[in-house]
Amino acid sequence: DTEVTQTPKHLVMGMTNKKSLKCEQHMGHRAMYWYKQKAKKPPELMFVYSYEKLSINESVPSRFSPECPNSSLLNLHLHALQPEDSALYLCASSQDYELAGGNEQFFGPGTRLTVL
Amino acid sequence: KNQVEQSPQSLIILEGKNCTLQCNYTVSPFSNLRWYKQDTGRGPVSLTIMTFSENTKSNGRYTATLDADTKQSSLHITASQLSDSASYICVVTARGYGQNFVFGPGTRLSVLP
Repeated sequence: DTEVTQTPKHLVMGMTNKKSLKCEQHMGHRAMYWYKQKAKKPPELMFVYSYEKLSINESVPSRFSPECPNSSLLNLHLHALQPEDSALYLCASSQDYELAGGNEQFFGPGTRLTVL
Repeated sequence: KNQVEQSPQSLIILEGKNCTLQCNYTVSPFSNLRWYKQDTGRGPVSLTIMTFSENTKSNGRYTATLDADTKQSSLHITASQLSDSASYICVVTARGYGQNFVFGPGTRLSVLP
């Protein structure tokens, strides 16, 4: 199984809502990533988890809260988002973070988020 | 500063034609270079990954080249198909501790019938 799954595929939420994005992989990868991608732009790194511990937070606003319940799951909790947060949110995984240079990142299909 | 540039920004070709996309980088120290294909609204899918010692790598109709001296890579698509319409992203990884994936802006390819 070389697949990264993400749910939901689409999400529309108001600025006062609380929602969560979910990501799952069963490749035994120990590094998982959240990216944000705006239209016609490359993905921007948000968070990196390595062995279920947060390793990188690219100065992401606190209204985005990541969580890694176990080695296969990665969540992104959303609260009080702004319309400019509307984007495609991509999850990715790789075998190992410290050896990231030698490993391939597998991306999920993404969640299309719209904040009204 | 680590950067990846891609050209052209967008490209339109007719079905069955060949095309070549370019990637220039200033990432150092270099670890590897990947080409991804990304359909609109979908996650990127890896096409090729090349390390310092590799000059050419093929994946079906996709052939990537790497010149580590000039820090340039190309992706050649042969006999294009309508399904090749997508964004092609060059990603260069810096060697060393931890994550340092540097994404290029992508080339938007449209294949017309």
